[in-house]
Amino acid sequence: RKEVEQDPGPFNVPEGATVAFNCTYSNSASQSFFWYRQDCRKEPKLLMSVYSSGNEDGRFTAQLNRASQYISLLIRDSKLSDSATYLCVVTGSSNTGKLIFGQGTTLQVKP
Amino acid sequence: EAGVTQFPSHSVIEKGQTVTLRCDPISGHDNLYWYRRVMGKEIKFLLHFVKESKQDESGMPNNRFLAERTGGTYSTLKVQPAELEDSGVYFCASSQWTGRIEQYFGPGTRLTVT
Repeated sequence: RKEVEQDPGPFNVPEGATVAFNCTYSNSASQSFFWYRQDCRKEPKLLMSVYSSGNEDGRFTAQLNRASQYISLLIRDSKLSDSATYLCVVTGSSNTGKLIFGQGTTLQVKP
Repeated sequence: EAGVTQFPSHSVIEKGQTVTLRCDPISGHDNLYWYRRVMGKEIKFLLHFVKESKQDESGMPNNRFLAERTGGTYSTLKVQPAELEDSGVYFCASSQWTGRIEQYFGPGTRLTVT
């Protein structure tokens, strides 16, 4: 079983749509949680950290459910520029900084 | 502020040859990480330096891989001898502190072993 599981997609949505991505992780002792964005043939870039209380950054909302070991990302009012691969990332139990990546979910926003 | 840089951007070598990848972290970042993505798989951790010391090298696949960070500045990752399964994109990342802090990634080195 993979440590971080994501639906690879692709998700094809029209501009303006709301889209949600989900992720589960296997290590209940994981301490930090993130969503990274990766454009084609580019490096991953931090989109947002994820907290148990939930957090919002503009059109993006992230939620963490520790009991279910589940992380979500909601994108409202999708833009063409949101097209990318979204990576669910967690740290290990020791929180030494080692990042554990999901395989990523591909989003394609169409006009 | 300059970001994380990696050299070369691409490398094509034959099986059995040696390749050395270089990473220059963001100035002042004590933490340096190497990751790798092989085709069709997720990005996987290789190792973590704090300054010049190896903090965690649990992700290094085998003893054909050697990472160094002399002086605590730039790092090199040598693959010797390279095998076909070493092909992939090697990313370097750095952060100022360890733990729940953003890691800044370099553009990666795309390695192809033929």
